[in-house]
Amino acid sequence: QQQVKQSPQSLIVQKGGISIINCAYENTAFDYFPWYQQFPGKGPALLIAIRPDVSEKKEGRFTISFNKSAKQFSLHIMDSQPGDSATYFCAARVSGYSTLTFGKGTMLLVSP
Amino acid sequence: DAGITQSPRHKVTETGTPVTLRCHQTENHRYMYWYRQDPGHGLRLIHYSYGVKDTDKGEVSDGYSVSRSKTEDFLLTLESATSSQTSVYFCAISESRAGFGQETQYFGPGTRLLVL
Repeated sequence: QQQVKQSPQSLIVQKGGISIINCAYENTAFDYFPWYQQFPGKGPALLIAIRPDVSEKKEGRFTISFNKSAKQFSLHIMDSQPGDSATYFCAARVSGYSTLTFGKGTMLLVSP
Repeated sequence: DAGITQSPRHKVTETGTPVTLRCHQTENHRYMYWYRQDPGHGLRLIHYSYGVKDTDKGEVSDGYSVSRSKTEDFLLTLESATSSQTSVYFCAISESRAGFGQETQYFGPGTRLLVL
């Protein structure tokens, strides 16, 4: 049973455009929601993370929007660049636990 | 990569043979994890460790065992490899369960395993 549903599976965006990746969850015990970025041949790396006490977190061109009532959160990449082309994973963690549940990933291609 | 090495980086083996993958960290982090990554499935947790000799199962633990005799090393063993275990295996580490950014998981470079 997939606990974190991620969409879309793949995404093509023009350079300078906005990339949006969405995740939804059911488990209300989740209290930490990170996004990871993975380049081909590399391990995933933390990009940005949010806790449910805030509705938005911004770091440079990357923003997480969090909707607690809808149990959804999304990653927005503003002014997308070819260097942002990677696979992005959302994840969630149950309060008090150390393990993460990952979405299935979104392959983003930013065309020049 | 935050002081995490995985060995081997690539391995080809035959069905039925035992395989051991090693994860080594120099960060002295308490938590260590093994994931597998497969197309269409994302990252799935196999086993994890919360201290020396303390391990627990993840989502896809069948066919895998782990051991952690030292803080810095976490071994993943496929007792009798099957073709369904062909995958990319990632090790990850973290300092804490929660609080002040310490819960970030840092991933190693991965091991690509092919079981023929």
